[in-house]
Amino acid sequence: QQPVQSPQAVILREGEDAVINCSSSKALYSVHWYRQKHGEAPVFLMILLKGGEQKGHDKISASFNEKKQQSSLYLTASQLSYSGTYFCGTAAPASGGSYIPTFGRGTSLIVHP
Amino acid sequence: DTEVTQTPKHLVMGMTNKKSLKCEQHMGHRAMYWYKQKAKKPPELMFVYSYEKLSINESVPSRFSPECPNSSLLNLHLHALQPEDSALYLCASSQDAGSSYEQYFGPGTRLTVT
Repeated sequence: QQPVQSPQAVILREGEDAVINCSSSKALYSVHWYRQKHGEAPVFLMILLKGGEQKGHDKISASFNEKKQQSSLYLTASQLSYSGTYFCGTAAPASGGSYIPTFGRGTSLIVHP
Repeated sequence: DTEVTQTPKHLVMGMTNKKSLKCEQHMGHRAMYWYKQKAKKPPELMFVYSYEKLSINESVPSRFSPECPNSSLLNLHLHALQPEDSALYLCASSQDAGSSYEQYFGPGTRLTVT
C-alpha cells in the first residue's frame, strides 16, 4: 500500500527550512527517502530502520516514529540544489524474504534565491 | 563506485517491434529492480531479482520479459508494446532485497511506443 506524503508541494527561499512527512497505514520496517531532479534518476538520501538506526546524508536529518508509522524529513537552511521531488519509500514483506518497495506520490520542493 | 548504467538512454519503437533495455552494476549488489515511471508520478515496481532469481513480479503484462544473465546485468525484453507503455524505465540495485538496504538508480531509458 502506497505511503502518504505531505505536503504535495513546498516553495521556499534559500536558507528557509522545510519538513516533509510520510505516513503509512501498515507497519513500517523501514523508511527510505529519495530526491529526484527533473529528467534525472532518484538519488538515495536516507534510510531509517526500526530500532533507530539511520544511514544517509550528512546534511539531511529525518525521524521515524515506528508506533505512529510515520517519518519526517527535515531540510534546514535550504539551498538551491535542494530543489526537486522528494519520495518516501516503504517496503512490504513478500514471499521468500524479499520486500516490495513502494513510493509515495512525492513532494515537489522549489527553492528560490 | 555507486553507478548503475542503463542503455539506451532513449528508445522509440513501434508496436510490432522487439527491443531490449540493459542495466549493469558493479557494486556487488545481489538485488536488482525494474521500475516504470510516468511523468509526475512515483516509480512503480515491475520486477525484483534477488541472487539472479526472479523474486517479485508485480503482475506485469507478458509483453515485458525480464532476464538476469549474471549478478551484474539485468535486461528487460520488450515485445508488442502499447502506446500507454511509453514511460521512463528505471533500473536499480541494492546490496540485498531486504527492507534495510538503500537502492541506487540508473539514469533510466525513456521509451516511446508509436
